[in-house]
Amino acid sequence: GAVVSQHPSRVICKSGTSVKIECRSLDFQATTMFWYRQFPKQSLMLMATSNEGSKATYEQGVEKDKFLINHASLTLSTLTVTSAHPEDSSFYICSAPAPGWYDTEAFFGQGTRLTVV
Amino acid sequence: AQTVTQSQPEMSVQEAETVTLSCTYDTSENNYYLFWYKQPPSRQMILVIRQEAYKQQNATENRFSVNFQKAAKSFSLKISDSQLGDTAMYFCAFMKWGNTGNQFYFGTGTSLTVIP
Repeated sequence: GAVVSQHPSRVICKSGTSVKIECRSLDFQATTMFWYRQFPKQSLMLMATSNEGSKATYEQGVEKDKFLINHASLTLSTLTVTSAHPEDSSFYICSAPAPGWYDTEAFFGQGTRLTVV
Repeated sequence: AQTVTQSQPEMSVQEAETVTLSCTYDTSENNYYLFWYKQPPSRQMILVIRQEAYKQQNATENRFSVNFQKAAKSFSLKISDSQLGDTAMYFCAFMKWGNTGNQFYFGTGTSLTVIP
């Protein structure tokens, strides 16, 4: 099956620095990727939709300037947490819909645990 | 707007027994899909089972089956012969097609523990 690879799996950074998380579709092209945030023992909350070649679409309440998304190619989307603060500590997951208009499956990355100290 | 509700935050089941996880959803869409995803301690999301809304027959995948009641907007997951490896968070999800592809909406999850 299709694979989505997310890197890094864990990162610890100092408050005020920026962190980049990569999401790659390994054996298929993804014009769209989704970024989720998951708090402990809670559900996945959609943060934004990453669109190849155009601006990302952010969900209400998500700061565009803090969570920069770049979808530079058909296989790579990046999420940069800028000027990170401890409250940004969370688990971030990306996903890509399966190729094909009527294909319904979504493939998820392994997730990134971000800890801001 | 689509909402997905899982009313059981935590459940437990004895190994080899059967357990049912509940899920209800609300939508005005007529064409959609429903999913159950499993998230084990590794945090990797794994597809368990999927149901097309236009199909009346309930989906089954080995030990996993669903009870899909479209009129009631209910979509429960039954796990038979529970195994220790079934211990995980289970998320019910609703999917519809959006302008940029399929869009998922997740429930709050049910933490399932299989007791040896």
